[in-house]
Amino acid sequence: GAGVSQSPSNKVTEKGKDVELRCDPISGHTALYWYRQSLGQGLEFLIYFQGNSAPDKSGLPSDRFSAERTGGSVSTLTIQRTQQEDSAVYLCASSPSPGPSGELFFGEGSRLTVL
Amino acid sequence: KQEVTQIPAALSVPEGENLVLNCSFTDSAIYNLQWFRQDPGKGLTSLLLIQSSQREQTSGRLNASLDKSSGRSTLYIAASQPGDSATYLCAVGSNYQLIWGAGTKLIIKP
Repeated sequence: GAGVSQSPSNKVTEKGKDVELRCDPISGHTALYWYRQSLGQGLEFLIYFQGNSAPDKSGLPSDRFSAERTGGSVSTLTIQRTQQEDSAVYLCASSPSPGPSGELFFGEGSRLTVL
Repeated sequence: KQEVTQIPAALSVPEGENLVLNCSFTDSAIYNLQWFRQDPGKGLTSLLLIQSSQREQTSGRLNASLDKSSGRSTLYIAASQPGDSATYLCAVGSNYQLIWGAGTKLIIKP
């Protein structure tokens, strides 16, 4: 597609349930990032994928969070046993260049509400 | 440790005014600096990307400057319009990471 696509755009779930958020990056972009943005807060880095290299998972807040990127394209962020503090907008970005040197293109985000 | 600060946190100005948003960073060893805008309930849109070797970038009514030695970048918006109302974020490429400011919420009053 023309831009980064994220789904679902909105997700309401009950505490303790698992959720999956999907990101479809711009075709050909080798770098993919997941960020979390809580209400009124800045962006919190979660995870970074670059090509076939091992992902940088240093931003994942707990072992309930995991992410994978299949075939170097689509990525799925999974949150297990969701908690109310997981409520946030989860943003995905892709870049044609590795690391911080490239321009980032963001999706519109997935808004997660945990009741 | 790189820290990025944006001041002010919020700004409200009448339509037509020229304005400046500020972004400061503590470590001058950066790869680049990017300015983004975020509309309510939306993702981020890249506005300008300044590489570390550059002093400024321009796009339409927007001009971003970079002064590494003083750890500052400014985003200048000329002839502001209500459609410019959004939150503006800067991000610094540093130490193989992107470090984000908390943003400036801009309101342009018609």
